[in-house]
Amino acid sequence: QSALTQPASVSGSPGQSITISCTGTSSDVGGHNFVSWYQQYPDKAPKLMIYDVSNRPSGVSDRFSGSKSGNTASLTISGLQSEDEADYYCSSFTTSRTHVFGSGTKVTFL
Amino acid sequence: QVQLQESGPGLVKPSETLSLTCAVSAASIGGFYWSWIRQPPGKGLEWIAYISSRGSTTYNPSLKSRVTMSIDTSKNQFSLNLGSMTAADTAVYYCARCGEDCYTIDFWGQGTQVTVSS
Repeated sequence: QSALTQPASVSGSPGQSITISCTGTSSDVGGHNFVSWYQQYPDKAPKLMIYDVSNRPSGVSDRFSGSKSGNTASLTISGLQSEDEADYYCSSFTTSRTHVFGSGTKVTFL
Repeated sequence: QVQLQESGPGLVKPSETLSLTCAVSAASIGGFYWSWIRQPPGKGLEWIAYISSRGSTTYNPSLKSRVTMSIDTSKNQFSLNLGSMTAADTAVYYCARCGEDCYTIDFWGQGTQVTVSS
């Protein structure tokens, strides 16, 4: 199974909105509504930010939202803040009942 | 809130087998799936495997020939064995909870660094 495709980096100004894409196939992103997004700071464990395409776990800011169209999922961060600078990974459950992660996206301020 | 803690050797010789254990606290291991994920230095996340509380396993096809997961519900812990280690297996290894149906990996341990070197 190949890693899901994400842009290597996305930049934005404080207060702006940015969107990170996650492209897979009909065997993963397109085959299920089980897409998750994780935030990871350097030398820290990933933190679940979005599950089942668009659901937020308790305690995650509503500035984070998720969506999906066909084989591409997206994470949108609105009102970009300094603490949002991190790496973001998507993940999908597959039709083979395995998991696959995205290649990762570094979010930085302009 | 469930807590996970990895333990194992930080250094493994080439061709040897890595053995890691994940201790689960503040929650019962029963009724959930449990997973291992790794991250090579400076690279992305790679899912390795998951196991149900009843011992049913699913492995990453690219690692399947070298991986074994097991679970000990009496000790509330699960384990990973990865054989024939090479330098390419150098990574931070994370254990994590995978939910009741394993659709979402939700809670993660802090990770443990494993280096393969002679």
